[in-house]
Amino acid sequence: GESVGLHLPTLSVQEGDNSIINCAYSNSASDYFIWYKQESGKGPQFIIDIRSNMDKRQGQRVTVLLNKTVKHLSLQIAATQPGDSAVYFCAEIGGGSYIPTFGRGTSLIVHP
Amino acid sequence: NAGVMQNPRHLVRRRGQEARLRCSPMKGHSHVYWYRQLPEEGLKFMVYLQKENIIDESGMPKERFSAEFPKEGPSILRIQQVVRGDSAAYFCASSPSGGSSEAFFGQGTRLTVV
Repeated sequence: GESVGLHLPTLSVQEGDNSIINCAYSNSASDYFIWYKQESGKGPQFIIDIRSNMDKRQGQRVTVLLNKTVKHLSLQIAATQPGDSAVYFCAEIGGGSYIPTFGRGTSLIVHP
Repeated sequence: NAGVMQNPRHLVRRRGQEARLRCSPMKGHSHVYWYRQLPEEGLKFMVYLQKENIIDESGMPKERFSAEFPKEGPSILRIQQVVRGDSAAYFCASSPSGGSSEAFFGQGTRLTVV
């Protein structure tokens, strides 16, 4: 069946490094993607989104890349800080569904 | 503009009791989604509602669970006769329109069944 998944469940980086979190999706009809950050004990927080007619979108210290050919999405965080430590989820919408579908998540651990 | 408000933040119920979880969407948002999250896992979709209508409840158990989003007031997720397996974090998200629009989440209600 169609699903959204993440390649790496845990990513450890040093403060100041750049982080890359990956997400694979299998529903080729998905046309909208969102990255969320969830800190311990809190709800998911919207970070950045991208539509399928784009392949790159930049925010403040974050960049999302979309490769529709291989159905791959990535979130790049520049100059990672300890406050970036959290679980990151990608979500996809589309293919006739209005419901954001989430992958399992990647835990980012930033060491000072 | 306040964010999505969920209450209570923590709820403890004994087996067999009823749990009522409330979600007030962001101002101007008429679409509400409920998700369930177990520890170390992702968010599992339960139900999608618009004002006074259930649009999709494919992720919600057929028994004991119900949801509503009345014309006035918050959306309610109701779990009757709770069991230990219902213990989880329940998150609500709202968006101004369905589909390709930003969905914002509340802080969740952590339900513990003892």
